[in-house]
Amino acid sequence: DVKVTQSSRYLVKRTGEKVFLECVQDMDHENMFWYRQDPGLGLRLIYFSYDVKMKEKGDIPEGYSVSREKKERFSLILESASTNQTSMYLCASSFGRGDTQYFGPGTRLTVL
Amino acid sequence: QQQVKQSPQSLIVQKGGISIINCAYENTAFDYFPWYQQFPGKGPALLIAIRPDVSEKKEGRFTISFNKSAKQFSLHIMDSQPGDSATYFCAARFGNEKLTFGTGTRLTIIP
Repeated sequence: DVKVTQSSRYLVKRTGEKVFLECVQDMDHENMFWYRQDPGLGLRLIYFSYDVKMKEKGDIPEGYSVSREKKERFSLILESASTNQTSMYLCASSFGRGDTQYFGPGTRLTVL
Repeated sequence: QQQVKQSPQSLIVQKGGISIINCAYENTAFDYFPWYQQFPGKGPALLIAIRPDVSEKKEGRFTISFNKSAKQFSLHIMDSQPGDSATYFCAARFGNEKLTFGTGTRLTIIP
């Protein structure tokens, strides 16, 4: 079974802090994705990566950056957290870019 | 823009009833239409998927109906059960491009 794990289920940070969200997959997938999920807005793609050290912006990349130094690990970075980044963050991975995506359980981030 | 429009945003159905969630798309090049199911506290997971060469796909109580000319597809849940209460996302993609997700439907099945 594919397993996607995220470093924290719940996280509380203060405005202006630098925040790291980590995601690890164990299926040797090429592609990894970061989404945020907000009520009424569905899943919005922040960034995705199709190979180590490769990344592409999604629909809402502003205020975020990503890092993929190893194939199994994809990190989302909030350089200076703001209250409007309070959300549920979901990581996913897939073998091919358009293949089935396997999601982690999510990190609920609250920025105070 | 490659959008997938999903409705309704929320849905309440009585136990034993039929739940219907609809999605519409613009890009006629889309060639794969999956549905994902998300339970509270979990990430979404693939539920069922269809390709445009068929008009219907059924897996147990879950059926996708696909109308290519109308550019619409829908998820039907027959004999809905409280355990079906979840958020459902439709999605679409063409070729090897990444999935485009709908905005989600929160389904609640009441006894």
